[in-house]
Amino acid sequence: TQLLEQSPQFLSIQEGENLTVYCNSSSVFSSLQWYRQEPGEGPVLLVTVVTGGEVKKLKRLTFQFGDARKDSSLHITAAQPGDTGLYLCAGDAGANNLFFGTGTRLTVIP
Amino acid sequence: DAGVIQSPRHEVTEMGQEVTLRCKPISGHNSLFWYRQTMMRGLELLIYFNNNVPIDDSGMPEDRFSAKMPNASFSTLKIQPSEPRDSAVYFCASSLTPGFEMFFGSGTQLSVL
Repeated sequence: TQLLEQSPQFLSIQEGENLTVYCNSSSVFSSLQWYRQEPGEGPVLLVTVVTGGEVKKLKRLTFQFGDARKDSSLHITAAQPGDTGLYLCAGDAGANNLFFGTGTRLTVIP
Repeated sequence: DAGVIQSPRHEVTEMGQEVTLRCKPISGHNSLFWYRQTMMRGLELLIYFNNNVPIDDSGMPEDRFSAKMPNASFSTLKIQPSEPRDSAVYFCASSLTPGFEMFFGSGTQLSVL
């Protein structure tokens, strides 16, 4: 079983602050996806990273895939209350079978 | 497109009863996935289908769980008999093909008393 550990598990910050969420594994993934899930809904894809060292930006969100394709980070600049949710990373180990991380629950306080 | 549609949204049942969860994937998507989400274990893949054929059911907990996809527009996940430890949110997701972006339904909140 490929284990994806995310940290921190919970994060509560003030509006306007920056934050980074980490996704780590001992396994190598052919690609890695980040999802955000809001209460009562299913996860929604934010981004897919494929190449080791790749950096992708989505407005105030910056995603990075580790050089060895075992880890990833999500950085949010100037967090807003609308960023509140459960952030999940998911790795594709090559069999088109996504393994989801443990999740980081983010709360942005106005 | 209305997205992935799951029913019911909430299900409360007693231990030992049969539970059937339903899913309608996005039209044109060839892959369908069933996930279970709990606080303790997070999101776990139960089974996935490609072109209506079950490809990987290694995540199905035990024989009490079964899933079918009789056609490209409908799938069911059945638990018989249900147990309290089955209480969780069950998600269905679909994608064009395995490895592409997955679109999730809103889930079924199952409570087994």
